[in-house]
Amino acid sequence: NAGVTQTPKFRILKIGQSMTLQCAQDMNHNYMYWYRQDPGMGLKLIYYSVGAGITDKGEVPNGYNVSRSTTEDFPLRLELAAPSQTSVYFCASSAGGGVGLMNTEAFFGQGTRLTVV
Amino acid sequence: DAKTTQPPSMDCAEGRAANLPCNHSTISGNEYVYWYRQIHSQGPQYIIHGLKNNETNEMASLIITEDRKSSTLILPHATLRDTAVYYCIVHSGGSNYKLTFGKGTLLTVNP
Repeated sequence: NAGVTQTPKFRILKIGQSMTLQCAQDMNHNYMYWYRQDPGMGLKLIYYSVGAGITDKGEVPNGYNVSRSTTEDFPLRLELAAPSQTSVYFCASSAGGGVGLMNTEAFFGQGTRLTVV
Repeated sequence: DAKTTQPPSMDCAEGRAANLPCNHSTISGNEYVYWYRQIHSQGPQYIIHGLKNNETNEMASLIITEDRKSSTLILPHATLRDTAVYYCIVHSGGSNYKLTFGKGTLLTVNP
């Protein structure tokens, strides 16, 4: 199994450019998440999705957009890149989430390292 | 979700047990304690979770106090590859499932 796959692994953007970070999982998980991690800091939730067609904001959603048209894919869109978005981005997925459904181990991708100059 | 408090760093000798503490004094009855770790530059990796009973798997043991206000993650025989940041997270699941990561504990295993 591939698990959670993120592409690209590295990217340098110029200020104002746009890009999409791709995330795919092959575990048929309903829940998917995008986090960012700044140097020396913990992970902060950007957006999450509880199923195809359903997304919601996390702690730091400004400057980002997401969509979830299929169970497998959860792309993250940066429309106008800013230096403050320089970070490592992690995508994750998990099977459960409802009360009583405690099979909620989250699987993470290997990250996309984004630099905005 | 309840807040957790962890020491910023710890050291451990290779081959010895590593005991990582976590305080979660405001934990509520339906909240689980989860542990993840992040080896340098990689995505976080799930280790173990528990509600009120002690848990053990192939990676670690989780000891939760009777009042559930604190817990300890035990790596029984730490190796150099266990050097990582360890995150203790308290979470209830529910319809808005999401993990909240703090800064964690940097465990350094020394030869």
